Amino acid sequence: GQNIDQPTEMTATEGAIVQINCTYQTSGFNGLFWYQQHAGEAPTFLSYNVLDGLEEKGRFSSFLSRSKGYSYLLLKELQMKDSASYLCAVNSDYKLSFGAGTTVTVRA
Amino acid sequence: IAGITQAPTSQILAAGRRMTLRCTQDMRHNAMYWYRQDLGLGLRLIHYSNTAGTTGKGEVPDGYSVSRANTDDFPLTLASAVPSQTSVYFCASSNDPGGYNEQFFGPGTRLTVL
Repeated sequence: GQNIDQPTEMTATEGAIVQINCTYQTSGFNGLFWYQQHAGEAPTFLSYNVLDGLEEKGRFSSFLSRSKGYSYLLLKELQMKDSASYLCAVNSDYKLSFGAGTTVTVRA
Repeated sequence: IAGITQAPTSQILAAGRRMTLRCTQDMRHNAMYWYRQDLGLGLRLIHYSNTAGTTGKGEVPDGYSVSRANTDDFPLTLASAVPSQTSVYFCASSNDPGGYNEQFFGPGTRLTVL
């Protein structure tokens, strides 16, 4: 089976930076995705890493280290609308396996 | 452009009843997926289809069946619902069955089995 771990909850202040870590142990690896999910809504795509290193997209960045089985999602200049769950998902054997998600609460 | 739609939005169902959750996409994506999302467990894959006419089992397929008669539609059927199938169900699609491209998710169906 797949083992994907991420913290359950994180809290940060508006304007700050938050880093959400994800560690994984999977049989086969074909890339890692981050999705955002607001309460009561569908997940939406944020980022995809297949090679080691940092991918930057506006206020959001995602990092991958395949040798360590580790990724993080970095949210900069936090806004209230960033309060959501963030899901780490690994492409293993060409199917996505999801972590349980990290709920981020942004406080004023 | 609607993207991906699901019906019903929510449903309360008596145990033992049969139920079909509908999913339709208008993006002409080859691959479609059904997930269930439960608190603390994240999204788990139930069944998938890489292309019209083919289906496969995911992580938690027992008690569910799917069909893929055409590119656009991917219904999920619970033959005899049980309370443990109470969950939020998401349908998703992707233009890449290999999983290298993002999946687009429908709005979800909240199902309660009593």
